[in-house]
Amino acid sequence: EPEVTQTPSHQVTQMGQEVILRCVPISNHLYFYWYRQILGQKVEFLVSFYNNEISEKSEIFDDQFSVERPDGSNFTLKIRSTKLEDSAMYFCASSAVREAFFGQGTRLTVV
Amino acid sequence: AQTVTQSQPEMSVQEAETVTLSCTYDTSESDYYLFWYKQPPSRQMILVIRQEAYKQQNATENRFSVNFQKAAKSFSLKISDSQLGDAAMYFCAYSVRETSGSRLTFGEGTQLTVNP
Repeated sequence: EPEVTQTPSHQVTQMGQEVILRCVPISNHLYFYWYRQILGQKVEFLVSFYNNEISEKSEIFDDQFSVERPDGSNFTLKIRSTKLEDSAMYFCASSAVREAFFGQGTRLTVV
Repeated sequence: AQTVTQSQPEMSVQEAETVTLSCTYDTSESDYYLFWYKQPPSRQMILVIRQEAYKQQNATENRFSVNFQKAAKSFSLKISDSQLGDAAMYFCAYSVRETSGSRLTFGEGTQLTVNP
């Protein structure tokens, strides 16, 4: 069964460093998303991506964040200068039309 | 703005029994989707069941079924014959039905414990 794959599963980074989280969406899906979940809290939408551009973003997705689909298969989330409050689980998701399928998540720890 | 509310932070059920998780939502849209996602300790988000708002019939998936009350904006999940593997955090989620994909808005989650 096709699935969304995220790497790495766990990333530890120093405050102020740049991180890139990687995702391989399901191959015939057209819509891609990033969500985050701070420990113990609900899942929050960050950004959606369609046709090689951002289609929607939340107020969380500020200038420190960017997304890219560099090669037609990968979908990346970059955080330019990480803060302690960026520590969270980051989920990539993709969808055809209706339901979104999620990857297993990347646990980002900023120290 | 759409909101999703799960008023039960925690629920517990005996193995083989039935449990119902509650969810309410607020929206001015008439066409939308509702979902239940399961998040086990591994923290992966797993789709459990989906309901289209234009369908009057309640969705079912094996032991999982929903009670969708559109006028009341209520969307509860019933788990029958509960199993130990059902223990997880359950999130109710909403999205507008659009052709260009749509963000999911999640509730706060309900932590379900299944007792042997």
